[in-house]
Amino acid sequence: DGGITQSPKYLFRKEGQNVTLSCEQNLNHDAMYWYRQDPGQGLRLIYYSQIVNDFQKGDIAEGYSVSREKKESFPLTVTSAQKNPTAFYLCASKNDRLNYGYTFGSGTRLTVV
Amino acid sequence: KQEVTQIPAALSVPEGENLVLNCSFTDSAIYNLQWFRQDPGKGLTSLLLIQSSQREQTSGRLNASLDKSSGRSTLYIAASQPGDSATYLCAVSPNYGGSQGNLIFGKGTKLSVKP
Repeated sequence: DGGITQSPKYLFRKEGQNVTLSCEQNLNHDAMYWYRQDPGQGLRLIYYSQIVNDFQKGDIAEGYSVSREKKESFPLTVTSAQKNPTAFYLCASKNDRLNYGYTFGSGTRLTVV
Repeated sequence: KQEVTQIPAALSVPEGENLVLNCSFTDSAIYNLQWFRQDPGKGLTSLLLIQSSQREQTSGRLNASLDKSSGRSTLYIAASQPGDSATYLCAVSPNYGGSQGNLIFGKGTKLSVKP
């Protein structure tokens, strides 16, 4: 079955450490997105990519980095510059040529210890 | 700037009741609107997608309507069941001169259906 796979499900980060969240899709979607979800707030866009080797900052990109070397993969790195990284991170993808809406992964919960 | 508001923030109903969840948005220039369901600690599941030219979409016991001119959408759930308990999120894609903008989310309505 086609879908989006996020790993790991839970991730713990020490102060000053960089961590990378994985997002893989086999839907042949061109566009991929990273969102952050905090309690009591709506989802906020971190980064997005509409094509391989190209990506744009979203509303809260500071302290995060991404790459898009393959169509199927869009990993997110949470750097030590992100001062409040504890949150639920969601990856999504979309077929820009067909207006079918967004498909989301199951999320990664990141906690600073 | 587009803003999406969902009211109420939380709702508790007895099983079997029909219910309506509300979503409003400040800018009527939207490309489409999507309703999602989120279970605790899980990702988002797409429920219904309404294009800007459409008035409603139906899937099983769910019906979503869109009134673009007034900036409103409703999600109607018929004969609610305990399994419907979840947070329901509304999101709009702005229309930028015919191009689809990125999703803007409301904060969600947390629904609890009591047996």
